Amino acid sequence: QKEVEQDPGPLSVPEGAIVSLNCTYSNSAFQYFMWYRQYSRKGPELLMYTYSSGNKEDGRFTAQVDKSSKYISLFIRDSQPSDSATYLCATRYTDKLIFGTGTRLQVFP
Amino acid sequence: DTGVSQNPRHKITKRGQNVTFRCDPISEHNRLYWYRQTLGQGPEFLTYFQNEAQLEKSRLLSDRFSAERPKGSFSTLEIQRTEQGDSAMYLCASSSGTENTIYFGEGSWLTVV
Repeated sequence: QKEVEQDPGPLSVPEGAIVSLNCTYSNSAFQYFMWYRQYSRKGPELLMYTYSSGNKEDGRFTAQVDKSSKYISLFIRDSQPSDSATYLCATRYTDKLIFGTGTRLQVFP
Repeated sequence: DTGVSQNPRHKITKRGQNVTFRCDPISEHNRLYWYRQTLGQGPEFLTYFQNEAQLEKSRLLSDRFSAERPKGSFSTLEIQRTEQGDSAMYLCASSSGTENTIYFGEGSWLTVV
């Protein structure tokens, strides 16, 4: 079992839709969680960072952590074609990041 | 530009040749990381430095791979006797010791033919 699991998609939605991206993790010791956005052939760009459980909002993006079920989510409101990218969830543990495989999102006009 | 800088961005090499990638971290970041990413996968940890000390190496880092960070500034990742399986994007990242956020460069694409 991988330490961080993520559905690779692709996920295709119309512009303006609410997008839900999800990951599960295996180790209850994980406490720091990140979402990165990666455009094709580019490096990952940090979107959101959360610690422990709860929600964090930044503009159209909301990150949610549920430690009881070891589930992390990223919601994108009013999705735009420019949001089309791969979204990577990650946890920071012992000074390094452990990534999921990434979910490819396509937002069509 | 104050982000993580990587060079070269693309490298095509013949199998058996040596290649070297360079990473310049965000200034004053004392931690520097190397990751590898293949198509359809998330980045995988290779190694990291705190200042000039290499603190951890993944089992993915075979003896053909060597990384250095002289004087705790830029870092190089060298791959000797490249194999086709080394074809991937090599990502460098950095962080400060006081933050939990890690910032990535644009990556260096390696194609071994």
